[in-house]
Amino acid sequence: AQSVTQPDIHITVSEGASLELRCNYSYGATPYLFWYVQSPGQGLQLLLKYFSGDTLVQGIKGFEAEFKRSQSSFNLRKPSVHWSDAAEYFCAVVGNSGNTPLVFGKGTRLSVIA
Amino acid sequence: EPEVTQTPSHQVTQMGQEVILRCVPISNHLYFYWYRQILGQKVEFLVSFYNNEISEKSEIFDDQFSVERPDGSNFTLKIRSTKLEDSAMYFCASSLVATDTQYFGPGTRLTVL
Repeated sequence: AQSVTQPDIHITVSEGASLELRCNYSYGATPYLFWYVQSPGQGLQLLLKYFSGDTLVQGIKGFEAEFKRSQSSFNLRKPSVHWSDAAEYFCAVVGNSGNTPLVFGKGTRLSVIA
Repeated sequence: EPEVTQTPSHQVTQMGQEVILRCVPISNHLYFYWYRQILGQKVEFLVSFYNNEISEKSEIFDDQFSVERPDGSNFTLKIRSTKLEDSAMYFCASSLVATDTQYFGPGTRLTVL
C-alpha cells in the first residue's frame, strides 16, 4: 500500500532563512507526487506536482521540490521564507494508473519568526 | 480561475441527525472526491466518484455515508445518522482525469454535538 512519511511535525524558521520540508513515500512504481499547503481555517492549495521529466519542479510562491527516486523522497524547499508562509504543508502521492485516491502525509506545521 | 466551492462552510448538528454537504466541482472535471480531516490529523480519503457511480471508497465510508450527483453541477455527501466522531473538516475535490491533479474546495467544518 502507498504511504507518505513527513518526519517533521513542526518546524520553526526565521523570516528570510531557507526552508526544507521532508517527504518520503512508499510505492511500488513511480508515483505522482504533490505538495499542498493549508493556511489556518482554509482549504488545500496545490503548491507543485511531479508527474515525470525534470526531477526539480517549480511551484507557486517561490517553492520548489526535488524528486529523488533512489531515496524515495520529494522534499520541498524555499530559499527565503516569508512570514506569510506559516501554514501546514502536506505531501501526497497517487498511483499513476487508475482512479486511485491521494494518500497524504500527516503534515508539517511551519512557524515563521521575525 | 475555476475553483471548487463547498457549502456550508460550517455545519453544526445534533448526534443522530442527517447532514448533507454540498460541493460544486470545476465544471469540466469528471472525477470527484470526498476527503475528511479530523482536527489535528491527516487528510483521509473517503470516496471517489466517476460516471455517476462510486469508483473507490475507504473503510471509513460505511453505510452511513452516501454520495450523489443530483444534477450537472452539484456533488453531495450525505451522512444519515451523524456520530460525534464524524466531527471533522470535509473536503471535496475534483480532477479532469483519474491521474490528474485534484483541486480542493475550502472545506466544510462539521461539528456534531
